[in-house]
Amino acid sequence: AQKITQTQPGMFVQEKEAVTLDCTYDTSDPSYGLFWYKQPSSGEMIFLIYQGSYDQQNATEGRYSLNFQKARKSANLVISASQLGDSAMYFCAMREASNAGGTSYGKLTFGQGTILTVHP
Amino acid sequence: DSGVTQTPKHLITATGQRVTLRCSPRSGDLSVYWYQQSLDQGLQFLIQYYNGEERAKGNILERFSAQQFPDLHSELNLSSLELGDSALYFCASSDHGQGGSGEQFFGPGTRLTVL
Repeated sequence: AQKITQTQPGMFVQEKEAVTLDCTYDTSDPSYGLFWYKQPSSGEMIFLIYQGSYDQQNATEGRYSLNFQKARKSANLVISASQLGDSAMYFCAMREASNAGGTSYGKLTFGQGTILTVHP
Repeated sequence: DSGVTQTPKHLITATGQRVTLRCSPRSGDLSVYWYQQSLDQGLQFLIQYYNGEERAKGNILERFSAQQFPDLHSELNLSSLELGDSALYFCASSDHGQGGSGEQFFGPGTRLTVL
């Protein structure tokens, strides 16, 4: 069974500083995907970044980068130049390999989340 | 805007009642996933449909059921509601499993309150 662990219930960062949110995972599948989602206080789930298990390079999307260490089974999210609007809950998630012969993607398994607070 | 719509946004009902949550996936997406987010259980996968067929089941109670219609919209039916069913219910959609990330696009959620 897949498992995602986020060990930081809460993190604080000063505006304009960088912050790293930790995520470790466990799976026996050789093919998987790792995602980070942001959930602001309004409740919606916003996709931030994706890393495939076979990707050689770390994923980057604007101020977000994913520090993927496959041997250690970690997929930490790095947010550079934090902004007040980054204050939210952040979820790490893992997608199963495709099911039913590759015709559909599998479910997401989520970690417990990390609440990030950005101070001015 | 993710392109996934969910109705209603809020739902308040009493114990023992039955409700239906509706979801329309992004145009072209064949897969629909339902998730439940509660304070004690976190975000949990309930069920997945692909092109009208049930594809995977998670921690879905027997009192809950879902279906995906020919136009690809999906409904989650919750019956004999209990206080513990109060949660935020998300629908998400993704494209088919032929390359790509399999990113799931989430709807805004339906917040269910059972009194």
